[in-house]
Amino acid sequence: EAGVTQSPTHLIKTRGQQATLRCSPISGHTSVYWYQQALGLGLQFLLWYDEGEERNRGNFPPRFSGRQFPNYSSELNVNALELEDSALYLCASSSSGDGVGETQYFGPGTRLLVL
Amino acid sequence: KQEVTQIPAALSVPEGENLVLNCSFTDSAIYNLQWFRQDPGKGLTSLLLIQSSQREQTSGRLNASLDKSSGRSTLYIAASQPGDSATYLCAVHGGGADGLTFGKGTHLIIQP
Repeated sequence: EAGVTQSPTHLIKTRGQQATLRCSPISGHTSVYWYQQALGLGLQFLLWYDEGEERNRGNFPPRFSGRQFPNYSSELNVNALELEDSALYLCASSSSGDGVGETQYFGPGTRLLVL
Repeated sequence: KQEVTQIPAALSVPEGENLVLNCSFTDSAIYNLQWFRQDPGKGLTSLLLIQSSQREQTSGRLNASLDKSSGRSTLYIAASQPGDSATYLCAVHGGGADGLTFGKGTHLIIQP
């Protein structure tokens, strides 16, 4: 069974540009989570999608947005990139529609570098 | 706001030793707690999930315990091997819609 996949593996952008990151959950999983792992800050919750809807977002500005498609894959968009957006972005999926009680399985991440 | 702390931040031990990693959290109203490992530059691998009603979980050489009332969890690694070298992360789920709250991890090095 294929795990969570993310693309691209690496992304280099300049300040002010937009970045689009993609995630495909494990087959049968309906929930997708996005996390940011910036150097020195640890992993922080960004967004949660389930059944095509945004269920919750962490403490991030509105220029971080995303969506979930009918096949449950998800896209994270970061607009007006800033240097501090440089981080490893991790996607996770779970089978629980209420977001609790189930293991979250993580993808390998997309490393975003903003110059 | 939930805060998760992991001690020690780094640990280096010789191969074969048994070791304990510690995790504490400030709000005991959690739904579950997960332990993950992260290899350099890579994503997270789930090791163990403990539901709030459980006291411990075991998988191979790994044993995780949970004391919800005191806000503590430990990950016990038996007979450590060089392949266990990684960063170990503890994360709690508060049962709401906030996703997982992670500690900053323990960087573990097992010396051959």
